Amino acid sequence: EAAVTQSPRNKVTVTGGNVTLSCRQTNSHNYMYWYRQDTGHGLRLIHYSYGAGNLQIGDVPDGYKATRTTQEDFFLLLELASPSQTSLYFCASSPGTGGYEQYFGPGTRLTVL
Amino acid sequence: GDSVTQTEGLVTVTEGLPVKLNCTYQTTYLTIAFFWYVQYLNEAPQVLLRSSTDNKRTEHQGFHATLHKSSSSFHLQKSSAQLSDSALYYCALSGNTRKLIFGLGTTLQVQP
Repeated sequence: EAAVTQSPRNKVTVTGGNVTLSCRQTNSHNYMYWYRQDTGHGLRLIHYSYGAGNLQIGDVPDGYKATRTTQEDFFLLLELASPSQTSLYFCASSPGTGGYEQYFGPGTRLTVL
Repeated sequence: GDSVTQTEGLVTVTEGLPVKLNCTYQTTYLTIAFFWYVQYLNEAPQVLLRSSTDNKRTEHQGFHATLHKSSSSFHLQKSSAQLSDSALYYCALSGNTRKLIFGLGTTLQVQP
C-alpha cells in the first residue's frame, strides 16, 4: 500500500507569515497532488506534479506556490498566509492517470490567525 | 466542463436499514474510471470502490455500486447500514487527464 507522509501535522501561524507544508511518498509514484478540504467545498486541487521539477496549476492556486524537488518530495508554500487559507491540507500520490487511484497522506491542519 | 454531483450533503439512516448515496456526472472523456472514497473522522480519504465497466456491479466492505453510463450515474448502496459506516463519502471521476474530479461529498450518519 502507498505510503504518503505529511509534516507538520498541525501548524498555527499569523497573517502574513510564511508556511511550508511537506509531503513525501515512498512508492515511486510519478504524480503528486496538493488539496485543501473545507466544509461545504469538498476537496479542491491546489497544485500537482508529474515528476521532479514539474508543476501544474490546479483549480484553486491563488496564494500558493509548490515545488517538487525529487520524485518523493512535494512542498506547498504559503508566502503571505491569510486567514482564508485556514484549512485541512492533504497531499496525495498516484502511479499514473486514467483510472489509477490517488493515495492520500494524513493531512496537515493549518490555522492562520 | 466535467463535473461530479452528489446531491445530498447529509444522509441520516437508522442502523440496519439500507442506504443509498447518489452520484451523477458529466464528462467528455471517452475512457473513464469512477471511485468512491470514504473518509472517517480525523483520517485521510481512502478508496472504497473503483469501477470502469458499464453495468457491472462492484462490491467492497458490504457496499456496492454500478456504473451506468446511460444515466451517467454511480450510486453507492448498502443493504444494512452499520454505525461504523458513519463517515464522509466522495464520488470521483478519473478521465484521461492527470486529475481526479471530486463531488462535494456526502456525510453519512448512521444512528442507533
